[in-house]
Amino acid sequence: GAGVSQSPRYKVAKRGQDVALRCDPISGHVSLFWYQQALGQGPEFLTYFQNEAQLDKSGLPSDRFFAERPEGSVSTLKIQRTQQEDSAVYLCASTPSILNTEAFFGQGTRLTVV
Amino acid sequence: DQQVKQNSPSLSVQEGRISILNCDYTNSMFDYFLWYKKYPAEGPTFLISISSIKDKNEDGRFTVFLNKSAKHLSLHIVPSQPGDSAVYFCAARRQTGANNLFFGTGTRLTVIP
Repeated sequence: GAGVSQSPRYKVAKRGQDVALRCDPISGHVSLFWYQQALGQGPEFLTYFQNEAQLDKSGLPSDRFFAERPEGSVSTLKIQRTQQEDSAVYLCASTPSILNTEAFFGQGTRLTVV
Repeated sequence: DQQVKQNSPSLSVQEGRISILNCDYTNSMFDYFLWYKKYPAEGPTFLISISSIKDKNEDGRFTVFLNKSAKHLSLHIVPSQPGDSAVYFCAARRQTGANNLFFGTGTRLTVIP
C-alpha cells in the first residue's frame, strides 16, 4: 500500500478482554515500531522490530503486552486482559532501513477499555 | 521522566506572521531531532529534522534551529498559513539504541485567517 495501514481504527474492549491490533507497514520497510499515545501526551515507544526480529521491547508496560512480526512485514500488537489504563491510541511506524530516522506513521488504533 | 519537553500546549498566530514552536530536551545523548505535524484522526507526519552537528536546517517555509548548549530547539514557520493549523510534536533520537524516537507532548498551533 501507499502508507502504513492500521486496523481496526477504533476498538472498544471490556476490561479483561484480549485485543489484537494490526499494522501493515510500507512494503519493503525493514524497521517497524509501536508507540502508545495517551490523551494529551506524545507517543511513547513500546517495541521495535528489524525484519522479523524483535530487537527492543523495553517500552512494553507489562507482560500483558505482546508484539510479533513473524514474516517481517505485518505486525500484531496483542494486549491480554485489558485494563482501563490501556486506553490510548496505538501508533505503528516504519522506516525503509535501520539508517532512517524519519518514520512513517499509520493513523493509529484508538483503544477504549470500558 | 519527560526527556523532551514542549512547554507551550498551544499557540495562536495570525496568517502571514511567523510561528515559533519551542522544544527543550534533557538527554545529552540525543543526536538527531525531528518535528512531526499531526492533524486530527491522522498519524504524525514528518516535517523537518536536524542533526546535532548542525545548528540550522531550512526547508521552504520551515526552519529548525538547534542550540546544543541550551538543549533547545525551535521550529519557525514563515509565513504561517491556515493549513499549518495542527499539533506539532518535537522528537529526538539517541546515539545508540533502537532508533526509536522520544516525543514531547505537542503544541497545538492555530493560524488565524
